[in-house]
Amino acid sequence: QSVLTQPPSASGTPGQRVTISCSESSSNIGSNSVNWYQLLPGKAPKLLIFNNNQRPSGVPDRFSGSKSGTSASLAISGLQSEDEGDYYCSTWDDSLNIYIFAAGTKVTVL
Amino acid sequence: QVQLQESGPGLVKPSETLSLTCNVSGGSITAYYWSWIRQPPGKGLEWIAYMSYSGSSNYNPSLKSRVTMSVDTSTSQFSLKMTSVTAADTAIYYCAGDLGASYFDSWGLGTLVTVSS
Repeated sequence: QSVLTQPPSASGTPGQRVTISCSESSSNIGSNSVNWYQLLPGKAPKLLIFNNNQRPSGVPDRFSGSKSGTSASLAISGLQSEDEGDYYCSTWDDSLNIYIFAAGTKVTVL
Repeated sequence: QVQLQESGPGLVKPSETLSLTCNVSGGSITAYYWSWIRQPPGKGLEWIAYMSYSGSSNYNPSLKSRVTMSVDTSTSQFSLKMTSVTAADTAIYYCAGDLGASYFDSWGLGTLVTVSS
């Protein structure tokens, strides 16, 4: 089973750019898209980025995603206090037909 | 996107069966692959299982022996049953929907289930 790895934490001051990496132990990211979710306290999880770099309607363009080989990343530009929360990358494991989540990254706005 | 609402007991005794239901509104239950996902306290998201209205399904290998999903098109609901629960199953349980593109564009607010005697 594939394993996705994210840093446990990231931080920045308001207005800064924060980047979160997501790397995979096998080749699933290489052959499948990476998606990113935002979990804020008391709110339903939210799809932030799908298909590596696509933003759903309503997601600010401060959020951007990219992928290269077996690594992906989420960037938050112009960090705002309301961005403080947990961010998860996820992909699909073709061999087992299951969804995989990384352990998540806690973003703190200093 | 559709609207999803989880329901079920907030407290389950060890060794008993956890049962949750997710109500789907604002869209067709036949359009999605439905999943259950959980987040134990202080930990990350863990995908549990998915099922379509036609019965196509799969389960997390680590939970497969204890989990059953079902989809009821007549009530626009889908359900999760997890047997022989322990304290390790204490978590916020989310229901979510995937249109078939391997990502979840619809999520419920989640419901906290505590396993304790």
